[in-house]
Amino acid sequence: DTGVSQDPRHKITKRGQNVTFRCDPISEHNRLYWYRQTLGQGPEFLTYFQNEAQLEKSRLLSDRFSAERPKGSFSTLEIQRTEQGDSAMYLCASSRTGTHTGELFFGEGSRLTVL
Amino acid sequence: SQKIEQNSEALNIQEGKTATLTCNYTNYSPAYLQWYRQDPGRGPVFLLLIRENEKEKRKERLKVTFDTTLKQSLFHITASQPADSATYLCALDMRGNTPLVFGKGTRLSVIA
Repeated sequence: DTGVSQDPRHKITKRGQNVTFRCDPISEHNRLYWYRQTLGQGPEFLTYFQNEAQLEKSRLLSDRFSAERPKGSFSTLEIQRTEQGDSAMYLCASSRTGTHTGELFFGEGSRLTVL
Repeated sequence: SQKIEQNSEALNIQEGKTATLTCNYTNYSPAYLQWYRQDPGRGPVFLLLIRENEKEKRKERLKVTFDTTLKQSLFHITASQPADSATYLCALDMRGNTPLVFGKGTRLSVIA
């Protein structure tokens, strides 16, 4: 069990650029979640996958955001035409259960700064 | 919609004392309530889960209670240590139909 890994840990970009984050969940975990966290706030749900299927997306996830989990293993979160309001910590989590009731194993996050 | 309130943004206590953090929610009771610890710049780490039919759950120096009448969970750390200083997040499971919803967290500082 190597834990959930995220890459990159930090990303600084200029407004209007595209960025992509990668998450490698714990290998036997079927569920993978993306959350966003800003300073002083708790994590906010963005989207989740059951294997390769994206089952739910939050209203927070605008059209500029897209997430994939092509083979049910790693996942990517892409933000197109970044805005300053996208600056946040993007957290990935995985879970071994088939419901939302199990504990989440979080990665260390990818911190995005949009200048 | 469901709202989660954690008692205060920051809590300072003396080493050795018991820290008590509060998580209140509105509307309907969740089936599960979870507590996580988050250190600065790190991802949250799971601590405890308590089900709606459980009044209390313990793990080492940690204790969680769940009162569905008061719509409240209390999180206690006994014999607190400076290493317990972190932000503690409560999270609710909305009856398994939606992903976990997190509160804003309470930043605990244990002073030696």
